[in-house]
Amino acid sequence: DQQVKQNSPSLSVQEGRISILNCDYTNSMFDYFLWYKKYPAEGPTFLISISSIKDKNEDGRFTVFLNKSAKHLSLHIVPSQPGDSAVYFCAASETSGSRLTFGEGTQLTVNP
Amino acid sequence: SAVISQKPSRDICQRGTSLTIQCQVDSQVTMMFWYRQQPGQSLTLIATANQGSEATYESGFVIDKFPISRPNLTFSTLTVSNMSPEDSSIYLCSVVPLAAPTDTQYFGPGTRLTVL
Repeated sequence: DQQVKQNSPSLSVQEGRISILNCDYTNSMFDYFLWYKKYPAEGPTFLISISSIKDKNEDGRFTVFLNKSAKHLSLHIVPSQPGDSAVYFCAASETSGSRLTFGEGTQLTVNP
Repeated sequence: SAVISQKPSRDICQRGTSLTIQCQVDSQVTMMFWYRQQPGQSLTLIATANQGSEATYESGFVIDKFPISRPNLTFSTLTVSNMSPEDSSIYLCSVVPLAAPTDTQYFGPGTRLTVL
């Protein structure tokens, strides 16, 4: 049972444009959501998080939107840069600091 | 965040042997976790490493196969026992720093294990 799903295995975007990565979840107990970026041969790097009491959180070029009724969240990167090319993982937990359930990841490629 | 190191960074092991992976953090943490990422797949939680008591294992993972120690607030080990090629994965520890403003998990660089 895949409780966190990222339906797009890959996304290709032009430099300077917006990248939108999507994530859906099924467990209504999830209360805290995070996005991680992963380069090959490295551990995941934390990007941004959001708790269920909010519908938007912004940090520089990164914005996460949460639609709790639709059980859907998205990560927007504006403007996209070639260095953003990596695998992006969506993760969820029932409380902050507790066990994480990850999606399958989306490979983002930003073309110069 | 915290500075997290893992040893070894990679290893190639023979079937039937065991490997112990270390996770060291430069500051005290509240929670420590061990994850696995099999080739082409997402990250899966193996267990929560509890300080001074037995780890809490997820469904499908058992202590005999993946014994875990956590003697203090900054160090943990994961042993992969009686290895088979199916254990070839990246093994990652993650932590929740004690002094962090939010309870975000931060990951170590990972240990890439290949079992022949």
